[in-house]
Amino acid sequence: GQQLNQSPQSMFIQEGEDVSMNCTSSSIFNTWLWYKQDPGEGPVLLIALYKAGELTSNGRLTAQFGITRKDSFLNISASIPSDVGIYFCAVVMEYGNKLVFGAGTILRVKS
Amino acid sequence: NAGVTQTPKFRVLKTGQSMTLLCAQDMNHEYMYWYRQDPGMGLRLIHYSVGEGTTAKGEVPDGYNVSRLKKQNFLLGLESAAPSQTSVYFCASSYSIVSGGADTQYFGPGTRLTVL
Repeated sequence: GQQLNQSPQSMFIQEGEDVSMNCTSSSIFNTWLWYKQDPGEGPVLLIALYKAGELTSNGRLTAQFGITRKDSFLNISASIPSDVGIYFCAVVMEYGNKLVFGAGTILRVKS
Repeated sequence: NAGVTQTPKFRVLKTGQSMTLLCAQDMNHEYMYWYRQDPGMGLRLIHYSVGEGTTAKGEVPDGYNVSRLKKQNFLLGLESAAPSQTSVYFCASSYSIVSGGADTQYFGPGTRLTVL
């Protein structure tokens, strides 16, 4: 069953605001991923995290791998309209490179 | 490169009908996956394959079958469709861990299936 708890479920923010979302698990995972799904498309990888405590940036996006290896955070600074979509956290199950996804955070941006 | 492609894009079935969804990738990836996406549930793994001729069950395999006869193709079959299988289906592919490119899964655009 679902192993990741992602929050918030949805956000409706003003353009220019910063956004923060997080993902927690009761189990330890060695790799945390953040994907974005644009409306009508498949998910695309944004950031991959491999080391506990790691902080990684990709443009206006910053993600952190929690020190306990049971959580991760994604921040988006100065949001713009094209940031709308669904953001998923995911963890890697080692054999077969299988992914387990969180339920997603729906982001809407008001311009 | 086309990446990962899926056919069809949309389909409506009646309960009990069968169909096959086709996924093709041109990136020479070893691993391929089928997911379903339902509101509030994220993406859940149905079946996956770690190589040509091999398949394995994921989190929600019941009611589905798969085949990987060629490395570039991964087929998902519904033998007797049920309304509970109404969903958006995504195929993905990736390199194997051995080849060093494990984490990035590349997704297709999805197939929207409605079962009446």
